[in-house]
Amino acid sequence: EVQLVESGGSLVQPGRSLRLSCTASGFTYGDYAMSWVRQAPGKGLEWVGFIRSKAYGGTTEYAASVKGRFTISRDDSKSIAYLQMNSLKTEDTAVYYCTRDPCDYWGQGTLVTVSS
Amino acid sequence: SYELTQPSSVSVSPGQTARITCSGDVLAKKYARWFQQKPGQAPVLVIYKDSERPSGIPERFSGSSSGTTVTLTISGAQVEDEADYYCYSATDNNLRVFGTGTKVTVL
Repeated sequence: EVQLVESGGSLVQPGRSLRLSCTASGFTYGDYAMSWVRQAPGKGLEWVGFIRSKAYGGTTEYAASVKGRFTISRDDSKSIAYLQMNSLKTEDTAVYYCTRDPCDYWGQGTLVTVSS
Repeated sequence: SYELTQPSSVSVSPGQTARITCSGDVLAKKYARWFQQKPGQAPVLVIYKDSERPSGIPERFSGSSSGTTVTLTISGAQVEDEADYYCYSATDNNLRVFGTGTKVTVL
């Protein structure tokens, strides 16, 4: 059974950094790209970015709203994907979901609140 | 542009058919996916490659495509189908985009 478990969400002040983790199981993690999607309170889904598998260079793509501030990485030895979020803004407040690209399986999400 | 536009809401009576559209230029060249999201839950994939249904998804869910518009159809809608629905696709420059979302009410 495919499982994705996010962790690391918390309350953080504007301008600070936070790293989210996504631990995967139930599939050959290294064969898949991994995506992050967020949902602000009461709003729709917003694609954040993804990281390709090593077979496709392990390269990344990002939404314009987070490019230059967020970084996605992966540790295939641990089956973990990371979302490093820097220079956080209040508008980054959202539930962050990890998904197996292209979003066929989702984690339960982790809440990030950016507030002073 | 990389926008996918959906109606904000659709209402249907139980047993009737609900149709949700998603429009955007990228849909003429890229496949679409549809997700169902119930309150407090993570989204669930209900359609991929415009019209393919994952295992475990009821047959009443179907998808179609024409030009720059894709459509999710719920035939014989059930009360448990009440949820938010989002379309999703890739873009020309390897990004991804979600639709604006549609709240489906079954009453």
